[in-house]
Amino acid sequence: DAGVIQSPRHEVTEMGQEVTLRCKPISGHDYLFWYRQTMMRGLELLIYFNNNVPIDDSGMPEDRFSAKMPNASFSTLKIQPSEPRDSAVYFCASSLARGRTEAFFGQGTRLTVV
Amino acid sequence: RKEVEQDPGPFNVPEGATVAFNCTYSNSASQSFFWYRQDCRKEPKLLMSVYSSGNEDGRFTAQLNRASQYISLLIRDSKLSDSATYLCVVTTSGGSYIPTFGRGTSLIVHP
Repeated sequence: DAGVIQSPRHEVTEMGQEVTLRCKPISGHDYLFWYRQTMMRGLELLIYFNNNVPIDDSGMPEDRFSAKMPNASFSTLKIQPSEPRDSAVYFCASSLARGRTEAFFGQGTRLTVV
Repeated sequence: RKEVEQDPGPFNVPEGATVAFNCTYSNSASQSFFWYRQDCRKEPKLLMSVYSSGNEDGRFTAQLNRASQYISLLIRDSKLSDSATYLCVVTTSGGSYIPTFGRGTSLIVHP
């Protein structure tokens, strides 16, 4: 398996533009997580899915953020409109639906909003 | 109080030194514990799980103290390649096993 695949790796966009981040989890994994990492706040859980269903989106900063998982092999995180404070590295991770199983991370998308 | 707390460091040690990191967690219902390693501009990767009885993997030893709600990571004979950020991860079951990450402890091993 190729692991968790995220695209794009880097994104530079202007304030106000829509940004869509993409993730392909590891096949067979039941959970998918979206994290945001900044120097100030570390790794923050934004939202997670179980079997394609969003379970907890309490970490999503505001209504400008939305996430979908239309099928078991694809998820998106969308920011509309983007703001400079959204600049961060966004990680997608997946894991099996069991305790004591590790979460596998994608390489992340480095987002810069100017 | 944050759910998972770590000393951010940096810990600056010479090659060959032994270094230890601690991590405290606030939820007594936490069930699974891990140490992840994150290199600069890379994704976090699992270093090792932490078991109740303590466990060792080569130069790395992890321990769990449930009564005091902390976990530790000991690195012996530090190598230059150990330089990274070490993230403490706690998973609490409320029907779902959701990993919560600490901010990480930065380790710099110098010649």
